[in-house]
Amino acid sequence: AQSVTQLGSHVSVSEGALVLLRCNYSSSVPPYLFWYVQYPNQGLQLLLKYTTGATLVKGINGFEAEFKKSETSFHLTKPSAHMSDAAEYFCAVTPFGESGGGADGLTFGKGTHLIIQP
Amino acid sequence: DAGVIQSPRHEVTEMGQEVTLRCKPISGHNSLFWYRQTMMRGLELLIYFNNNVPIDDSGMPEDRFSAKMPNASFSTLKIQPSEPRDSAVYFCASSFVLEATSRVYEQYFGPGTRLTVT
Repeated sequence: AQSVTQLGSHVSVSEGALVLLRCNYSSSVPPYLFWYVQYPNQGLQLLLKYTTGATLVKGINGFEAEFKKSETSFHLTKPSAHMSDAAEYFCAVTPFGESGGGADGLTFGKGTHLIIQP
Repeated sequence: DAGVIQSPRHEVTEMGQEVTLRCKPISGHNSLFWYRQTMMRGLELLIYFNNNVPIDDSGMPEDRFSAKMPNASFSTLKIQPSEPRDSAVYFCASSFVLEATSRVYEQYFGPGTRLTVT
C-alpha cells in the first residue's frame, strides 16, 4: 500500500518568491511520483513525473521536483512565483516494481492550495 | 486530440434518483480510471479498467455505485439510488499501458462532473 502526505493545505508566497510545496510518500515498493495542478473548475493537469533515472525532474511552467529516496520526499519547487501559478497542487504516487499485470490507480495527497500575493 | 470527455459537466438531482456519468477516454488509451473529489476526502480512486476489464473496484464506496466499460471508447459510472453524501466532483482519466511493462506513465484527466444531490 502507498500513501502521500502534503504538508500545508495552504501555502502563500509573494510574486517573484520561491515556491516550495512539500510531498512525502510511503510505498512498499519503489514508486512512480507525480505532481498535478488543478485550476478552478478544471480537471487535473500533469506538471511533472518521476519514474526512473535522473532524480531531478523538470516540468511545465518552470516547475521542478527532486526525488529523494532517503527522505521519501518529492518536493515541488519553482524559483520565481507568478500570479498564474495560483492553483491547487496534488502529489501522487503509483507503485512500481512487482505489482504488474496492468495499470494501477494513483494515490493522491490532500492537495496544497498555492496563493500568490501581489 | 479532444482529450478526455465527460458528460454532463453539472448534474443536480434529488435523493433517490439514478445518476449516470459518462466518459469518453482519449483514443488509443487502454486504461480508464474513475475518481471522486470532495473537500473532506480529497481525490479518491473509485475503479479502474484495463482493456475494458475492471481491474480494481475496491474504491467503490458501496453497492449503489457501479461502473461499466462496454467498449474502448465509452464508460459509465452509475449511482442508484443517489444520496446527498454522493455530492462531489467525479473525474474520469485515461492512460496507455504497455503490456510488457504494465506501468502507468501518466493519466489524462477530464474536466469532471460536478454532482449535487439534494
